[in-house]
Amino acid sequence: AQSVSQHNHHVILSEAASLELGCNYSYGGTVNLFWYVQYPGQHLQLLLKYFSGDPLVKGIKGFEAEFIKSKFSFNLRKPSVQWSDTAEYFCAVNAIGGATNKLIFGTGTLLAVQP
Amino acid sequence: ETGVTQSPTHLIKTRGQQVTLRCSSQSGHNTVSWYQQALGQGPQFIFQYYREEENGRGNFPPRFSGLQFPNYSSELNVNALELDDSALYLCASSFNSGENTGELFFGEGSRLTVL
Repeated sequence: AQSVSQHNHHVILSEAASLELGCNYSYGGTVNLFWYVQYPGQHLQLLLKYFSGDPLVKGIKGFEAEFIKSKFSFNLRKPSVQWSDTAEYFCAVNAIGGATNKLIFGTGTLLAVQP
Repeated sequence: ETGVTQSPTHLIKTRGQQVTLRCSSQSGHNTVSWYQQALGQGPQFIFQYYREEENGRGNFPPRFSGLQFPNYSSELNVNALELDDSALYLCASSFNSGENTGELFFGEGSRLTVL
């Protein structure tokens, strides 16, 4: 069965600090990978996605993620966080070739950025 | 804004009651998925509707059912509500072109509280 693990449940950073959120997935086949963000009181929004090609993908608001196939990882990074990055971040995978457009989500990482 | 709208935004029910949640998909999308997000958890796939039929289901009992209408809008019905059904219910729409990429567009959710 597919699963997604996010290592940090709660992260607290000061503004301008660097961010790395870990994500590992369990699935033997080919996957598409996503990071979604949920700002307080708002809907889930797509931050970035990886389908194929360059394993380093760039998303909105200065975020990037690197797909390392050998490690089944898709870690999210940002060089310098801002207070407005305070949100919950979800890593998700979709198994390519499945009949259903289904995402498997991790449990989320709550990021609090202190001004 | 994703263009996915859900109603109601909040509701309170008691154990044993039934609830219907509604979702209008984004213009141009033909597939609707429903997810349950319990407090402190990532969204969990309930089921997906395409061409007015369920075409994938997660690990949820039959008392969770749904419908998709010709205009691609959808309903989620939950019978015999239990306390553990308290959660945020997310609707997501996508376009099924025969290749499932997993890219979904989420609504803001309906928060259900069961007392």
